[in-house]
Amino acid sequence: EIVLTQSPATLFLSPGERATLSCRASQSVSSYLAWYQQRPGQAPRLLIYDASNRATGIPARFSGGGSGTDFTLTISSLEPEDFAVYYCQQRSSSLTFGGGTKVEIK
Amino acid sequence: EVQLVESGGGLVMPGGFLRLSCTASGFTFSNYNIHWIRQAPGTGLEWVSSISSSGHYTYYADSVRGRFTISRDNAKNSLYLQMSSLGAEDTALYYCVRDSTGYYLFDLWGQGTLVTVSS
Repeated sequence: EIVLTQSPATLFLSPGERATLSCRASQSVSSYLAWYQQRPGQAPRLLIYDASNRATGIPARFSGGGSGTDFTLTISSLEPEDFAVYYCQQRSSSLTFGGGTKVEIK
Repeated sequence: EVQLVESGGGLVMPGGFLRLSCTASGFTFSNYNIHWIRQAPGTGLEWVSSISSSGHYTYYADSVRGRFTISRDNAKNSLYLQMSSLGAEDTALYYCVRDSTGYYLFDLWGQGTLVTVSS
């Protein structure tokens, strides 16, 4: 099973700041890496698929990068609604989710 | 509106059974593989089971195989999860999720139905 490790576990930032989240895979997943956002009390929402493609309706401040084993999700300027938990997920070999990164207001 | 709506959750005794349902609207349900993904309180996401668009193929996580059965009725735009021999470890919010590509890309999530296993 491919293990996804997300870091940091919690990120304390202020609105307007840049957020950089990391997801590392235990073996290569090529570009089959997705990111989801989960706001408090809500279901997850697809943000990025295949490492760098924004899903429908996702604002341009969200961007994804990386390939192989190292991936990043970047939020260029945090809006109040972006404070949430973010999960990465690979679909290269079956599927697994990372443990999540919580973006909290500093 | 394109949506998935789960129902059927509740409080059940250890060893008991429960049947979850998911009703789809706003899209052609029969074109998509559908999954159940669960989230225990305060924790991350765990894939539970999936079913092909036709209903011919089903898949299960090791943690539920032999206890859970996934099925669908495309005429009713509905998905089901029959759960038995429930334990405390099955306590979670269960999401019905659409697979946009047929290979584990989850583009539409329901709001979830809560299953609590407790005496």
